[in-house]
Amino acid sequence: GENVEQHPSTLSVQEGDSAVIKCTYSDSASNYFPWYKQELGKGPQLIIDIRSNVGEKKDQRIAVTLNKTAKHFSLHITETQPEDSAVYFCAASAKAAGNKLTFGGGTRVLVKP
Amino acid sequence: AAGVIQSPRHLIKEKRETATLKCYPIPRHDTVYWYQQGPGQDPQFLISFYEKMQSDKGSIPDRFSAQQFSDYHSELNMSSLELGDSALYFCASNKQGETGELFFGEGSRLTVL
Repeated sequence: GENVEQHPSTLSVQEGDSAVIKCTYSDSASNYFPWYKQELGKGPQLIIDIRSNVGEKKDQRIAVTLNKTAKHFSLHITETQPEDSAVYFCAASAKAAGNKLTFGGGTRVLVKP
Repeated sequence: AAGVIQSPRHLIKEKRETATLKCYPIPRHDTVYWYQQGPGQDPQFLISFYEKMQSDKGSIPDRFSAQQFSDYHSELNMSSLELGDSALYFCASNKQGETGELFFGEGSRLTVL
């Protein structure tokens, strides 16, 4: 089955700086790569996603890049703000596997004002 | 817009008791996924249902069972509860054939004493 590795597990940045989280996946059949933000006591919320036919996607301060050959994808948050502090999960899924998501281990991001 | 509804939000049980969690997917969604998230852990896939049939099975203990009903809501039944079952249980839904995005509920926090 799919295995997703995520690094780093914790990330502390100064407000205004950029944050980068990296993930690798193992199943070459995976074709959908979402990123979720989870705040304390809440369910994961999708913040951005990318499909295997695209190399990069951007939405305001958030961008995701995908290297399908190397099987890794990254989340970039620019101009970080205190409200960006949360746990971020990458995930991967394949339509052939019923779109079941396999999550990375999570990154706890702390943005210091 | 309607979201995934989970109930109860909090549940406290004793060891060896049983618990039932309910999930109401977003209207028109035909697929439900159950995830278990331990403290500081990433969500782990338990089981999924598509059109009322089990579509995939993950690390769900034999003490747990689930089903999806004709109105597409799903219930996760947990018996002979153990301390290690204390976790957040998330339900997610989507519609097969559309984007791979899973929409998560706010979760049910189960505490086993």
